[in-house]
Amino acid sequence: EVKLVESGGGLVQPGRSLKLSCAASGFSFNDYWMGWVRQAPGKGLEWIGEINQDSSTINYTPSLKDKFTISRDNAQNTLYLQMSKLGSEDTAIYYCARDDDGYYSWWGQGVMVTVSS
Amino acid sequence: DVVLTQTPVSLSVTLGDQASISCRSSQSLEYSDGYTYLEWYLQKPGQSPQLLIYEVSNRFSGVPDRFIGSGSGTDFTLKISRVEPEDLGVYYCFQATHDPPTFGGGTKLELK
Repeated sequence: EVKLVESGGGLVQPGRSLKLSCAASGFSFNDYWMGWVRQAPGKGLEWIGEINQDSSTINYTPSLKDKFTISRDNAQNTLYLQMSKLGSEDTAIYYCARDDDGYYSWWGQGVMVTVSS
Repeated sequence: DVVLTQTPVSLSVTLGDQASISCRSSQSLEYSDGYTYLEWYLQKPGQSPQLLIYEVSNRFSGVPDRFIGSGSGTDFTLKISRVEPEDLGVYYCFQATHDPPTFGGGTKLELK
């Protein structure tokens, strides 16, 4: 069974950094692109970015490119999202998802990040 | 960025009715390889999004055939025939043709 489990969320002060993890199981992790999507409270979905199988290609939405860094560890079957210079606008649920040739077939349950002093 | 405009924003239906959601793109979503990377996702209350339709009209594994995606170029539609209780939630279209990929604003399907 495919499982994606995000962790690392919580309350963080403005201007600080936070690193999210997404533990994958039930499939061959190193065969897939992986992505991150977020959802601010009561709002719609926002694509953050994605990474290919060997980390040679990483794409971001332009507005987040200088703040967020996506990486992966295929040996640990884990996807990461390093977030820096966090502001209140980054308060959201963060989802990781598996990319199957351009569509997100499997999603994690999401992890909440709250940026507040 | 490509803007996807979904209408209506909310849709009230009676169980068993048909529902139709429109997604209009600011640019053609046909990619140079001939495919159109337009998808539909459903987010049920308190849950993660789930894939319904990919490449305009292909139902993902396990998705009932009452979900029908259609369209081309810049105009796309998701039809749900015979709405059932488990169909309620927010529907999003999503394009992966142009960088960066973008979501529509969502359409909330609720009971009348």
